[in-house]
Amino acid sequence: AQRVTQPEKLLSVFKGAPVELKCNYSYSGSPELFWYVQYSRQRLQLLLRHISRESIKGFTADLNKGETSFHLKKPFAQEEDSAMYYCALNLADRGSTLGRLYFGRGTQLTVWP
Amino acid sequence: DTGVSQDPRHKITKRGQNVTFRCDPISEHNRLYWYRQTLGQGPEFLTYFQNEAQLEKSRLLSDRFSAERPKGSFSTLEIQRTEQGDSAMYLCASSFLNEQYFGPGTRLTVT
Repeated sequence: AQRVTQPEKLLSVFKGAPVELKCNYSYSGSPELFWYVQYSRQRLQLLLRHISRESIKGFTADLNKGETSFHLKKPFAQEEDSAMYYCALNLADRGSTLGRLYFGRGTQLTVWP
Repeated sequence: DTGVSQDPRHKITKRGQNVTFRCDPISEHNRLYWYRQTLGQGPEFLTYFQNEAQLEKSRLLSDRFSAERPKGSFSTLEIQRTEQGDSAMYLCASSFLNEQYFGPGTRLTVT
């Protein structure tokens, strides 16, 4: 069963427009959620994690347990934000799978000038 | 330390051959993970080590796959009798706590 769903495979916005990349997860316990980003020809890198509640490169994401969502948002997209974004889930409260990440299929974001 | 490294970066092999990949994690990281990524999909978990102990294996890891981390440092992933369906990007990640740092991957093509 797919634990992480990213409904949009492709997302395009113009520079300066707001952007929201959707992520929904399936887990009834206490999840740990992450957003990873992969720029062209670079390795997968951590963008942010829900427990740190930081804003990285202008991106924020709030864990909504009621809606089981962890959408990534940025008020004003920049061209350099163009990349593949993956939402990932860690079943942090299940010791036998501690650390294992479940990834969504990814959303390719393109920001047009 | 420049991060997680993987070798080789690309491997082309004929069906039926064995291949071995290496991953060198960030030096102070005690956890090491292998993932596989196919086109259009996110990474899928294969296996996980804490120090030298292999603590979990996915059902994706068939009998043809074996992974080792003999001294709790680098790890190897071997695929025996490769099949065309094994063609994928194989990713290694390491962590100390729950933030995983990924390597550049090894792209395997089975012809």
